[in-house]
Amino acid sequence: DTEVTQTPKHLVMGMTNKKSLKCEQHMGHRAMYWYKQKAKKPPELMFVYSYEKLSINESVPSRFSPECPNSSLLNLHLHALQPEDSALYLCASSQGTSGIQETQYFGPGTRLLVL
Amino acid sequence: GESVGLHLPTLSVQEGDNSIINCAYSNSASDYFIWYKQESGKGPQFIIDIRSNMDKRQGQRVTVLLNKTVKHLSLQIAATQPGDSAVYFCAESDPLYGGATNKLIFGTGTLLAVQP
Repeated sequence: DTEVTQTPKHLVMGMTNKKSLKCEQHMGHRAMYWYKQKAKKPPELMFVYSYEKLSINESVPSRFSPECPNSSLLNLHLHALQPEDSALYLCASSQGTSGIQETQYFGPGTRLLVL
Repeated sequence: GESVGLHLPTLSVQEGDNSIINCAYSNSASDYFIWYKQESGKGPQFIIDIRSNMDKRQGQRVTVLLNKTVKHLSLQIAATQPGDSAVYFCAESDPLYGGATNKLIFGTGTLLAVQP
């Protein structure tokens, strides 16, 4: 099973709202990722969590706040977003085997619209 | 044919033909590469991968070729079907990262349009 699930599928929020995106995997993977994808563009890395610790933050604005409550869950808290933040937000996971570069498995994404 | 411009590069093929999607990667030290398929409204789906100690790897109807000399990767799809219509991304694993901190560098993507 290589399934990563994400909720919600779609989200519409105003610029003053606070919302959260959720991601879950039960493959025992120890690395989890958040990506942002605009239309007709490749995914752009935002954050990487390794063994529940933040290991990469790609200079993402503080209105995006990631959280990894346990090894299976990854959240992305959203606050005071801008219309240009509208995009598909993808979660991914990989095994996290030390010293080996490996496949990342993606979820279906959350389509976010900021009004 | 293939077109590159302001829009996503597009490869248009007839159903039943073979498709070849090309990708140039950036870092000669990269040693792990992945092809993803992304259908409209969905997340990228893993198709096939290859490590730099190989030149070729085959899956079901797909073959990946790696030419390290010119930093080129290709995906061949045999007997292309309408269900193969999607955007295809190549990705290289950034050699500065690894293990529990992977970082993928994605190509710009190619839209494969299969004509019935």
